[in-house]
Amino acid sequence: DAGVIQSPRHEVTEMGQEVTLRCKPISGHNSLFWYRQTMMRGLELLIYFNNNVPIDDSGMPEDRFSAKMPNASFSTLKIQPSEPRDSAVYFCASSLVEGSNQPQHFGDGTRLSIL
Amino acid sequence: GEDVEQSLFLSVREGDSSVINCTYTDSSSTYLYWYKQEPGAGLQLLTYIFSNMDMKQDQRLTVLLNKKDKHLSLRIADTQTGDSAIYFCAETPGAGSYQLTFGKGTKLSVIP
Repeated sequence: DAGVIQSPRHEVTEMGQEVTLRCKPISGHNSLFWYRQTMMRGLELLIYFNNNVPIDDSGMPEDRFSAKMPNASFSTLKIQPSEPRDSAVYFCASSLVEGSNQPQHFGDGTRLSIL
Repeated sequence: GEDVEQSLFLSVREGDSSVINCTYTDSSSTYLYWYKQEPGAGLQLLTYIFSNMDMKQDQRLTVLLNKKDKHLSLRIADTQTGDSAIYFCAETPGAGSYQLTFGKGTKLSVIP
């Protein structure tokens, strides 16, 4: 089975540019998560979607960050304008959240460097 | 709030057993997970345990849960160089909950 697929794997861009990260969750999963990983803060949950609807976006750092899930098989995380402090590894994860808990499965991440 | 604590580093010799420890504070934790992260990769689910279990074994991996002390451990038997990675402990409060609280990870170094 295909796992969670993220693209691009690496992104290097100059500050001020728009960055779009993409994620395809595992087929059949109803929940999607965006995380950010840095050395200083570890793993931080940015936003959680259930059945394509954003449920909790309290982790989104500021208005420069936005996320969408137009359908069950695709999500984007956008940063506009990007800043050097946004440099991190961004992970997408998916799971089936229902009565019996199912674990989250992670993609390989997008390593983002803002110069 | 919820908190998950792990030691940051562990070194073992190849062939020895590794024991990675984790403590958590949320008494309502229902599921506890171990994830493995190799350099440049995502988090790979290794195993998980339901809170009404004391132990779970899966090949070289043994998970022990002491719910009274809120202590979770992962034992890797016959540790190999390929086991070198960062291991994350995580917990979730209950069935149907999406919240997953991670520890900061334990970096396991296996010495040949």
